[in-house]
This record gives sequence, structure tokens and C-alpha cells, in this order.
Amino acid sequence: GAGVSQSPSNKVTEKGKDVELRCDPISGHTALYWYRQSLGQGLEFLIYFQGNSAPDKSGLPSDRFSAERTGGSVSTLTIQRTQQEDSAVYLCASSLDGTGRPPLHFGNGTRLTVT
Amino acid sequence: SQQGEEDPQALSIQEGENATMNCSYKTSINNLQWYRQNSGRGLVHLILIRSNEREKHSGRLRVTLDTSKKSSSLLITASRAADTASYFCAPLTQGGSEKLVFGKGTKLTVNP
Repeated sequence: GAGVSQSPSNKVTEKGKDVELRCDPISGHTALYWYRQSLGQGLEFLIYFQGNSAPDKSGLPSDRFSAERTGGSVSTLTIQRTQQEDSAVYLCASSLDGTGRPPLHFGNGTRLTVT
Repeated sequence: SQQGEEDPQALSIQEGENATMNCSYKTSINNLQWYRQNSGRGLVHLILIRSNEREKHSGRLRVTLDTSKKSSSLLITASRAADTASYFCAPLTQGGSEKLVFGKGTKLTVNP
């Protein structure tokens, strides 16, 4: 594909349920990032992958949040026992490497609403 | 890593006018990047300026960097309604972690 693809684009879930958000990065991009953006706010860094490893998980808000990446490609962000404060747009980005020097390419995000 | 602080938070101008947004940061950088976010979309990379560069152009965009003041500015000339978006700066800390941290951005509205 030409760009970063995220699915689903929208997700409505009930409080307490688990959700999985998927990110397909650009082919060949070794670095993958997850961010969260609440309404009218900036981007909050969640986690960064280099290949399948996550050198920086510092932004995960709680142990209800986890992420994995397989085959150096697709990544899944899982939120367990969702809470209303988890409602936000979750953005995924990829780049050629993890140095921060090549630009990040973003997907259009998954809008999560917890009712 | 460090977060850039964009200023102003919001800017409203008429089509054809120039728009200037500023970014300040705290510690030495390797580079500084500007991104645009249209409503409901992801961020799009606009331009990257390295720490040893003072000015860079790309089409109607002009970015300046003053490392002594730890600040950068993004100028959009002859603005169009399609330039309406939020603009974010992301400084990459020299020798720091690789992640880019984004602030709250500048929300630009260009009125037709």
C-alpha cells in the first residue's frame, strides 16, 4: 500500500470491554510509533517499535495498554477493560528507521469512543 | 526527547495573507520538523530543518531556525483556504531518544 493503514477507522465500545487497534505500516519501514490524541489536544506518545522490539514503552498510560509488532510489520495496540478516559484518536506512524531523522508517515487514526 | 511549544495556539487570517507560526524548544537539537494535520486526518510531514541550517524553503513554506534562541518559525505565504489545519513542530533532541514528541499545535484558519 501507499501509506500507513489503520483499522478500524472508528470503534465504539462499552466500558469494560477490550479493544484491538491495528496498524499496517509502509512496507520497509522498520520504525513504528503509536500516539494518542484527545479532542483538541496535542499528540501523546505511547510506544515505539524498532523492528519487533519496543525500546520505548514509556508512554503507555497503564498496564491495561499493551502493543505488539510481528514480522517487523503489522502492529496491534490492545486496550483491556476500557474506560471512558480512553476515548481518543489513536494514531500510528512509521518511518524508515528509528533515528527520528527520516520523517514520520501517519495513518488517519482510529477514533475510539468508550460509552 | 523534548516537546516543542507552538505559538500562537490559534490564528485566523484572510486568504492571500501570510501566516507565521512559532515554535520554541529547550535543549540542543539534531533537527526540527514541521507537520500539518487536517481535521480528522493524520499528520503530514511538511519540512525538516537541520541544526546547522538557518532557513529552508519548500513551495509557499519558509522555515527559519535560530538555535541561539532555541526557536523556529513557519511562514506560509499567500495562504489558501486549503491551508486551514493544525500545525505542529517536533524538535529531535541531539543525542537523545529517537521519538518525536508533539505539542498542542497552532490551529490555523484561512477564511475565503
